[in-house]
Amino acid sequence: QSALTQPASVSGSPGQSITISCTGSSSDVGGYSYVSWYQQHPGKAPKLMIYEVSNRPSGISNRFSGSKSGNTASLTISGLQAEDEADYYCSSYTSSSTLVFGGGTKLTVL
Amino acid sequence: EVQLVESGGGLVQPGGSLRLSCAASGFTFSNYWMNWVRQAPGKGLEWVANIKQDGSEKYYVDSVKGRFTISRDNSKNSLYLQMNSLRAEDTAVYYCARGLRTIGIWGQGTMVTVSS
Repeated sequence: QSALTQPASVSGSPGQSITISCTGSSSDVGGYSYVSWYQQHPGKAPKLMIYEVSNRPSGISNRFSGSKSGNTASLTISGLQAEDEADYYCSSYTSSSTLVFGGGTKLTVL
Repeated sequence: EVQLVESGGGLVQPGGSLRLSCAASGFTFSNYWMNWVRQAPGKGLEWVANIKQDGSEKYYVDSVKGRFTISRDNSKNSLYLQMNSLRAEDTAVYYCARGLRTIGIWGQGTMVTVSS
């Protein structure tokens, strides 16, 4: 039950694109197409942004996209906006019928 | 409106017990796996436990096995977390969350503080 590995922080200027990685193992990220990404603003509950690697829930901007290669998943945010500044967490379903989260990445919009 | 509302958090001494509740509304509660996820102050999200629609399967993170028990009452649209032998490291906001492979709905969270 080790946490997935994410960079602690990333930053970008408005209008730029950034990518956040999420590395696991063959027992979680690599073994299933059930990687999700969540956005969390300070003091708020997390919000689902991407599910099943690359699908966006209704109402989520197409500036957010997801992908996966092997044991590593990625979240890309294009056309950065000030309101994108938040913490981002990945999660994956696991072979133990549980969920595991990444350590979180703080996105700063410069 | 789909909603999850947690309650039952508070201050408890180390070694003590607490029972969290989560009231679900706006969807058919009995159709979904449910979870508890926690977040220690200034830290990341940690999945704690989940329970199948009919309560027949339950899974826990290693750090709470034998101390926490997840349960549900589908007739009351409610999810519970019984927490015993609480430790300082259990201090966190506890979220009720819907889904098995993806958490699509989160509650607003309830704070649990374990301190003497």
